[in-house]
Formats: sequence, C-alpha cells, structure tokens
Amino acid sequence: GAVVSQHPSRVICKSGTSVKIECRSLDFQATTMFWYRQFPKQSLMLMATSNEGSKATYEQGVEKDKFLINHASLTLSTLTVTSAHPEDSSFYICSGHLHSTDTQYFGPGTRLTVL
Amino acid sequence: ELKVEQNPLFLSMQEGKNYTIYCNYSTTSDRLYWYRQDPGKSLESLFVLLSNGAVKQEGRLMASLDTKARLSTLHITAAVHDLSATYFCAGGSGGGADGLTFGKGTHLIIQP
Repeated sequence: GAVVSQHPSRVICKSGTSVKIECRSLDFQATTMFWYRQFPKQSLMLMATSNEGSKATYEQGVEKDKFLINHASLTLSTLTVTSAHPEDSSFYICSGHLHSTDTQYFGPGTRLTVL
Repeated sequence: ELKVEQNPLFLSMQEGKNYTIYCNYSTTSDRLYWYRQDPGKSLESLFVLLSNGAVKQEGRLMASLDTKARLSTLHITAAVHDLSATYFCAGGSGGGADGLTFGKGTHLIIQP
C-alpha cells in the first residue's frame, strides 16, 4: 500500500515553455502533498506544501508564480513549471502524507530537462 | 529552522562489515525518518522514529533516536552488496504532515 505515482517520469522541453507534472496517491487519500526538488548528487529540498482545496504554501526562495501548484482532489496534485529555463532542470519528487502511518510516501520522481 | 547533518557523506565498505551512519539535527524535531534512494530512483521509506530511545530494525538495518542528543543512527550489520545506495535522514515537526528537512545523504558503496 501507500503508492504514489508521478507523470511524466521524464520530460524535455524548450526554454520558455511550461511543463505540468502530476502526482497521484493511488491507494490512499492525501490531504497534504509535498513537492521537492533534487539537483544531481544533492539532497532533496522542500519546495512547497500542497493542501487539498486550498492554496499551496511555498518555501522561502521558491517563486509561487513560476511553480504553480494545484491540489484539486485528495489523490491528485499538479506542479506546473511556467516559462521554464535551463536552471529549472532538476529531479522533481512529490510525496503524499498518509495519516495512519504518519509517514510521507514518495513518488518515483520526474526528471525535467530544459534546453 | 531545522537543520540536519549526516556523516559520513560517502562510505565505502566491504561485505560482512558493520558500520554506522550518523544524523544530527539542530532543533527539536518530533520525528526522524530514514530513506533509501537508488540511483535515478525515488525514495523508499525505511524507518520512522517518533520518541526518545526508539529503536527499529529491519533485516541488517537498525535505526535509533536520541532526542536529548539530537542524534539518530542507522547501523548496518554484516553489510551485503544489495545495501549499496544513498541513505537520507530527514526531520520533521508539527506532526507528519509537515515538509521534511533532509540531510545531504550518505552514499554507501559495499564491495564484495
């Protein structure tokens, strides 16, 4: 149980375009989902907390207008990288919080490459 | 602001040996997590430690938490090659529904 999926797993786009990444909790409802970013050989950095039915909370230094988050249902959160630039290239990982185990379960990640 | 430090960041060891990864955190954290990450993959949850003195074991891995020392350890017993991965500790507060602060990770290579 506690499976989280992400789509796409890998995406390449041109500078200036927007990319949407989906995060789904497959077998549980996640009131809260999180978005992290991981640069090569580095740790995960929390970008934002996504709560179902309300606005996301962004960490300091993360531009909310650039990284749009929508948590429209208890099983789906989306991250849209708008006007992507090469420096946005990274591994984006989402997680869903499962109340019964009080643990975050991570999706498989999306590798974004901006040319 | 919670800060999490792991050491060592890189560890190469031989099969059959024992070793410990250390995780120090800077402020009160009501839970400590250990995750495993294989190259190009996402994170696999290993342990959740919620209270002082908590000890959990799964196979050759054992994790413990000392909240007074703000220290968690991940002990590897009789290492095998399959345990080669990057291990992250992460702290959280405000219940499990808060974002996690991760350490830099320990890249573990276990050689036959």
